[in-house]
Parts: sequence; C-alpha cells; structure tokens
Amino acid sequence: KAGVTQTPRYLIKTRGQQVTLSCSPISGHRSVSWYQQTPGQGLQFLFEYFSETQRNKGNFPGRFSGRQFSNSRSEMNVSTLELGDSALYLCASSLYGVDTGELFFGEGSRLTVL
Amino acid sequence: AQTVTQSQPEMSVQEAETVTLSCTYDTSESNYYLFWYKQPPSRQMILVIRQEAYKQQNATENRFSVNFQKAAKSFSLKISDSQLGDTAMYFCAFRNFGNEKLTFGTGTRLTIIP
Repeated sequence: KAGVTQTPRYLIKTRGQQVTLSCSPISGHRSVSWYQQTPGQGLQFLFEYFSETQRNKGNFPGRFSGRQFSNSRSEMNVSTLELGDSALYLCASSLYGVDTGELFFGEGSRLTVL
Repeated sequence: AQTVTQSQPEMSVQEAETVTLSCTYDTSESNYYLFWYKQPPSRQMILVIRQEAYKQQNATENRFSVNFQKAAKSFSLKISDSQLGDTAMYFCAFRNFGNEKLTFGTGTRLTIIP
C-alpha cells in the first residue's frame, strides 16, 4: 500500500507570492491533517479535513487555507507569503471511524520564502 | 489546552545501551492517546509506539517500551539495545479521543554513538 504522498518536495518562493501544496493520503484514509514544522516553533497543527469538511483548525492566520477533494486528496494554500512561512509542511492521514489513533505522515514539502 | 513537554533537547548513548526519553503532558481530559514519533534525518515521521490512556498496561514494541504514569502525567520512552538506526529526533505527542489533532513536544535529538 502506498504511503502518504506530498508534492512538491521542495519549492522556493518570494515574499508576497502564494503557494499550493498537495497531499495524497493512504488509500482508504478519509482524514487529512496538515502541520507546520519550524526550528523555532516546532510542530504546529494547521487544520484537519474529513469528508471534504474542515473539522479542526489551528491558530494560523487566514492566509493559510486548505481543502479536501472527494477522493480524500488535500491541498493547502498559503497566500501573501512571508519570510516566516519558510518551513517543512507535513501532511498526515488516518482512518477515522476505526479510530486506531495512528496518523501516517508524508515526507513533507520544504518551502523556502526569499 | 493540552501541552506536551520534553525536557531533554539532546541525548546521546553508546550503541547497545539503553536510553530513556522523558515526556510530561498536561490535560484535563480522561480519554486520550499518547505517542512517540521518530523523525530520522530523512525527515519522514514514523510512529514508534502508542498508548491509550484507559489502558493501565504499558505499551511495548520490540526494543521500545513506555512507562505511562497517568496520575503523574508522564510518558517516557525506553529504547533497549540501541542501534545506529535509532539516531533521530523523537517527538512525544498527545491526541484526544475523537480528535485528529496532535499536540507535539519540542523533541529530543537522540544520537547513537558507534
């Protein structure tokens, strides 16, 4: 079974631009969560989607948004990029309903904002 | 709000020795999960072990075991017969039942010395 796939793996943007990151969960997983990882703030929860609905949201400004499609694939978007948005963005999927408690992570998308 | 504290930013141990990583957490909930995740230098987060709070028995997975003290809100990870491949960042994480959001600690960088 394929794992969680994130694209692109690396990208460089300049301040003010916007970026879209993609996440394909493990087949059959319906919940997708996004996390931001930085050296200063550690791992912080961005949001979680289940059946195309956002169920949870972390404390991030409105420039951070996401969505989930009917096939459970998810995208997150960051608009008006700032230098502080440079981070590793991790996606995780899980089987909600079975509630095994386990999240499976992708390798992440490394965003650098110049 | 839940918090997770890892008080050991870095640790190192000789190969084949045993090492214990500490984690404490704070919550008012009674039903929750606790996890230890490993993030090797290749960066994909991998689940090491999980514990359901309602289970009194400590979880074990091969060389990995936990010491779960619910009253003290402590959740330490013991790695026995450490191997070079255990070198990684280790994150302690908390999750409420029915909620996909993970709250992470700041991590412990573990180095296994040959």
